[in-house]
This record gives sequence, C-alpha cells and structure tokens, in this order.
Amino acid sequence: GAVVSQHPSRVICKSGTSVKIECRSLDFQATTMFWYRQFPKQSLMLMATSNEGSKATYEQGVEKDKFLINHASLTLSTLTVTSAHPEDSSFYICSARGSGQPLHFGNGTRLTVT
Amino acid sequence: QKEVEQDPGPLSVPEGAIVSLNCTYSNSAFQYFMWYRQYSRKGPELLMYTYSSGNKEDGRFTAQVDKSSKYISLFIRDSQPSDSATYLCAMSARDTNAGKSTFGDGTTLTVKP
Repeated sequence: GAVVSQHPSRVICKSGTSVKIECRSLDFQATTMFWYRQFPKQSLMLMATSNEGSKATYEQGVEKDKFLINHASLTLSTLTVTSAHPEDSSFYICSARGSGQPLHFGNGTRLTVT
Repeated sequence: QKEVEQDPGPLSVPEGAIVSLNCTYSNSAFQYFMWYRQYSRKGPELLMYTYSSGNKEDGRFTAQVDKSSKYISLFIRDSQPSDSATYLCAMSARDTNAGKSTFGDGTTLTVKP
C-alpha cells in the first residue's frame, strides 16, 4: 500500500529557532500534499494545501510567513516552522494524495518548543 | 453547522462486540468516503475507501454509505483490544479544489479484554 514517510517523528527546539519537517511519498507521486496540526484529543486542523511546483494555499488564520511550505518535487514537501514559540508546540501531520487515490498520512511530528 | 458530524463518543465495548461508528454530512457533492484509524501519537491510517453508496467489506470491517440519507457507518465485528483507537470519517467531492477531504472530529473507541 501507499506509504508516506514523515521526518522527524519528534523534535525539541528552543524558542526563536526554526524547524523543518519533511514529508515524502515513497511509492507514488503525490500531486497534492496537505499539512495539518492536531491538538490533544482533537481532530485534524488543515493548515495548508501544497501542489507540486506552485505556492501553497493556506487556510484562514494560518500565518504563511511563519509556516513555510515547499513542494519541490512530486515526492517531497517540507514544512518549516520559523521563529518557533512555545505556542507552536503541537503534533504536525502531513498527508499525500496521488491521482485518483485517497489520502495517506505520515506518522506525524511532535514539536516541543522550550 | 459543520459539514461532517461524527458521533463524539467515547465508546467503550467488551472484546468481541460489534461496533458501529457513524457520521452524517450535509454536502451532497461528497462522493468519496473514507475511514481512518489513529492510534495515540501516530498519523491516521486508511482503513476503508468507498465511492458513492453501498457496502464494502474488508475482513472484520464493513463500510456502509447511504447517500440518500447522507449517512455513513463503519462496523467492526469481533472487536479486539487492538482496535482501541480514534476513528475518523472523511469525505471529499470529485471536483473539490486539490481534492481536500473534510474530516469528522473522531470517535475514540476502547475495547476491553
């Protein structure tokens, strides 16, 4: 089955630093990738939609200058949390979708900003 | 009102029970229906993927879609403690921009040995 790899699974960083999270589709070409944030015991909150070779589309209320998304190839999208603060601590999940396929998710990245 | 409403739970059942998880929706454009299972601190895992109305069975899992009632269900037979997780329904319309899926808020299931 389709596999989406997300890395790192856990990261701790200091306030003010930037963190990059990678999302790779391993056995299919992902025309679209999505980035979500999930708070404890809550559902997925879509942050942005990323299409290969074009600018990401951000959901209302998501700061595009803070959450930089790059989808440089059909198998890789990255989310960079810039100048991270403790309130950015959360579980970030990516998903990828190939042509005619349902979404497949990565295993998430737990970000802790100290 | 949310486009997708999911029974909130939590749900606790004894091992071996039949579990029914349900979602309703309001957008008649939805044609693709998914169920995901999410273990704690993991990404969601696709369980079932169906198109339009009808039933689909995969092992102990049966997905049911009733487009006339805008209602979908996931049935788990002979539930096991390993089925304890949060279950998310999701759906999308054929021509939705970038194929965005709309998710329910999830139902947390605990299967007790």
